[in-house]
Amino acid sequence: GQNIDQPTEMTATEGAIVQINCTYQTSGFNGLFWYQQHAGEAPTFLSYNVLDGLEEKGRFSSFLSRSKGYSYLLLKELQMKDSASYLCQGAGNMLTFGGGTRLMVKP
Amino acid sequence: DVKVTQSSRYLVKRTGEKVFLECVQDMDHENMFWYRQDPGLGLRLIYFSYDVKMKEKGDIPEGYSVSREKKERFSLILESASTNQTSMYLCASSLHTGAGGYTFGSGTRLTVV
Repeated sequence: GQNIDQPTEMTATEGAIVQINCTYQTSGFNGLFWYQQHAGEAPTFLSYNVLDGLEEKGRFSSFLSRSKGYSYLLLKELQMKDSASYLCQGAGNMLTFGGGTRLMVKP
Repeated sequence: DVKVTQSSRYLVKRTGEKVFLECVQDMDHENMFWYRQDPGLGLRLIYFSYDVKMKEKGDIPEGYSVSREKKERFSLILESASTNQTSMYLCASSLHTGAGGYTFGSGTRLTVV
C-alpha cells in the first residue's frame, strides 16, 4: 500500500519562496502528482514527477527523490492567490493522496 | 470547456434514502474514480474503474456501490444514506493507469439529515 505524509499547514509572506514537502512509502510506485485546491473548489493538477530531479513550470517547481521517498513543491514569488491547499498523490497500485497542506500567504 | 461533470453541486437527502451521484467525462478517459473529502481526513478513495463494467474497491467502499455501464459515465450509489456519509464527493478521471494527472469534477456536497 501507500502512506503519504505532508505538513498540515504552512504560512508564508507575499513575494517569498515556500517549499511544501511530501514523504511517501509505497509499493509499485509510478510517480508522484501535485495538485492545488482552493477552498470550496476541486483540486487542479499542477505537476507530475516520475524521474528524480526538478521539474519547473513558471513559478512552481516540483522535485522528486525516489531513493529517499521524498518530493517537494516549490512556489516562488508568492502571490495572495496562492493561498490554497496543496495535495501530493502517489501513482501506483493504489492512488493515495496525502492529507494536504494548507498554505496561507500573508501580505 | 467543462471536462468532468458532476450532476449536482449541492444535495440534501434523508437518512435511509438511496442516493445516486452521477459523473460524466468527455475526454475519452479509461479511468474514473470516486473520492470523498472530509476536514482533517483528506481525500479518500471509495471506488475506481479502469474500464467499462469494471470496478475496484478503494479504501472506504462500505456503504457505497458504483456502476460503469458506459465509458464516459461513472455513478456512485449510496444504498441507504446515513449521516456519516455527509461529505464532499469528488469524481475524477485520468487517461492511463498510474500516469497522468487527474481531472476532477467540481464536487457534490452531500448532506444527509
